[in-house]
Amino acid sequence: EVQLVESGGGLVQPGGSLRLSCAASGFTFSSYEMNWVRQAPGKGLEWVSYISSSGSTIYYADSVKGRFTISRDNAKNSLYLQMNSLRAEDTAVYYCAPPAYSGYGWGQGTLVTVSS
Amino acid sequence: DIQMTQSPSSLSASVGDRVTITCRASQGISNYLAWYQQKPGKVPKLLIYAASTLQSGVPSRFSGSGSGTDFTLTISSLQPEDVATYYCQKYNSAPRPFGPGTKVDIK
Repeated sequence: EVQLVESGGGLVQPGGSLRLSCAASGFTFSSYEMNWVRQAPGKGLEWVSYISSSGSTIYYADSVKGRFTISRDNAKNSLYLQMNSLRAEDTAVYYCAPPAYSGYGWGQGTLVTVSS
Repeated sequence: DIQMTQSPSSLSASVGDRVTITCRASQGISNYLAWYQQKPGKVPKLLIYAASTLQSGVPSRFSGSGSGTDFTLTISSLQPEDVATYYCQKYNSAPRPFGPGTKVDIK
């Protein structure tokens, strides 16, 4: 059974940092590109970042470029998102999302709240 | 950057009605288009990828079509369990934006 389990969310002050993790199981993680997607309370889905299967190609949404860093460890079947200089508008549920063509579902997400 | 738009933003239809949602890309994206369904309080669920390929386990009343810039998601006979917000997403290159969503409910 394919599982994606996000962790690392929580309450952080503006300007602070958090590192999100996504543990993958039940499929060949190293063969697939991965994404982070977020959803602010009551809002739509926002694509945040992409990393290729090898980690050699990375993209970011303009809203997080320069502040967030995506990475992966294929030996540990894990995806990461280092989030620095957090702002109130980064408050959202963050999802680890496999590519659409994989047919795999998303994790349950982890809530990040940026507030003083 | 390519922008994704959806219409309508919301709709209300009767059980058994045929429902069509449109997604438009500001530039051609071939068939690199996915549709997701998100029920209230739930994780988004993949319905369709490659514009028209139905994800395993998704009811056959859902179908997708289109290529290039114009795409549609059709529910052939709306059921109460289809109440949700539907999002399209391009996934051929960066960035990979979602459409703003279409909220579907029962009249």
